[in-house]
Amino acid sequence: EVQLVETGGGLIQPGGSLRLSCAASGLTVSSNYLTWIRQAPGKGLEWVSLIYGGNNTYYADSAKGRFTISRDNSKNTVYLQMNSLRAEDTAVYYCARASRDGYNFWAYWGQGTLVTVSS
Amino acid sequence: DIVMTQSPESLAASLGERATINCRSSQSILYTSNNRNYLAWYQQKAGQPPKLLIRWASTRESGVPDRFSGGGSGTDFTLTISSLQAEDVAVYYCQQYYSVPPTFGPGTKVGIK
Repeated sequence: EVQLVETGGGLIQPGGSLRLSCAASGLTVSSNYLTWIRQAPGKGLEWVSLIYGGNNTYYADSAKGRFTISRDNSKNTVYLQMNSLRAEDTAVYYCARASRDGYNFWAYWGQGTLVTVSS
Repeated sequence: DIVMTQSPESLAASLGERATINCRSSQSILYTSNNRNYLAWYQQKAGQPPKLLIRWASTRESGVPDRFSGGGSGTDFTLTISSLQAEDVAVYYCQQYYSVPPTFGPGTKVGIK
């Protein structure tokens, strides 16, 4: 059974950094398309970043230059390093697995971790 | 980026009634080489992550009740709940995966009248 567990959220001041983790079981992160998607409180869903293959990565414009997605195959974990955080980054961050053949729809989601950027 | 819009913003229907949600993309998300529409539908209940209901515009996920159906092609799509049940109260999102970045509609809140 596929399970994704996000950790690392919390309260952080504007301009600060945070690293989110997504621990996977029932799948191998090195051979899957893993994605971060966020949802601001009371708002809709926004795709943030994707990692797949050798180390191919994609980012939303809102994340480019500030966020870095990576993975540790030995820990079967994907990370999202978030720097220069802004109030508008406040959201629940979900980790999700795209389809086996790499199409960007997501049948498997974690429960999410809340990031609050506030002074 | 492809912009997704949904209507209505919210709807309320009686138990057993039909509910229909519309979704439109700013450009066609039909890939002509394989005749597939790159559209998914999700259901999100309060306090939970989204749940994938439908892929390829009309292919229901395993375990999703058959009262949920998806239709449409090109730029205009629908999600229909043929007989609304209490457990269907949720926000429903459409999402295109034709191009990167994948983008979501703003959501439609479905309730019981």
